Amino acid sequence: GIQVEQSPPDLILQEGANSTLRCNFSDSVNNLQWFHQNPWGQLINLFYIPSGTKQNGRLSATTVATERYSLLYISSSQTTDSGVYFCAVGGSSASKIIFGSGTRLSIRP
Amino acid sequence: GAVVSQHPSWVICKSGTSVKIECRSLDFQATTMFWYRQFPKQSLMLMATSNEGSKATYEQGVEKDKFLINHASLTLSTLTVTSAHPEDSSFYICSATTSGRNEQFFGPGTRLTVL
Repeated sequence: GIQVEQSPPDLILQEGANSTLRCNFSDSVNNLQWFHQNPWGQLINLFYIPSGTKQNGRLSATTVATERYSLLYISSSQTTDSGVYFCAVGGSSASKIIFGSGTRLSIRP
Repeated sequence: GAVVSQHPSWVICKSGTSVKIECRSLDFQATTMFWYRQFPKQSLMLMATSNEGSKATYEQGVEKDKFLINHASLTLSTLTVTSAHPEDSSFYICSATTSGRNEQFFGPGTRLTVL
């Protein structure tokens, strides 16, 4: 099955800093989503981005499908950005998605 | 739009009892629903995929007789943990998608503790 790797596993930053999170996947995909899991466990949809670039406020994402990676950019980090960021991908023949191991982001005031 | 709810948000039960968790899509028709479990500080692991009116498809290693899934309508799926044991304690999360869309939308999760 498709493999998903996220890096870095942990990231500690000061408030106001920028960060880049990476997601590598092993096969072609028809679905790629980025999520933020808050401290209560809720998964918040950030982007549905199987290809191309999207922006939403301080967050943006780029997926280069031909090179099998996606990047999530967070600018001007705030303490509320803390939590775990997951990338999840779906292959071309199935509707299910496979989660990466996540990046745990801690923003210090 | 695309709101998914779960009930209960947390449950504590005695070993040997059964627990039912509900997953509802509130503002769209969920042709497919998914059930995941997540252990502390780990990622989400898919347990099963259910399509409305069909039997669920379970991932390898997931006991279908222990984790009963019903998807009887386009807005409701249920997961029943039968004869629960302490090792079943986990965070259970559902998601839903609709026909023609790949994007999944997730419920808030149910924290199960089996004593």
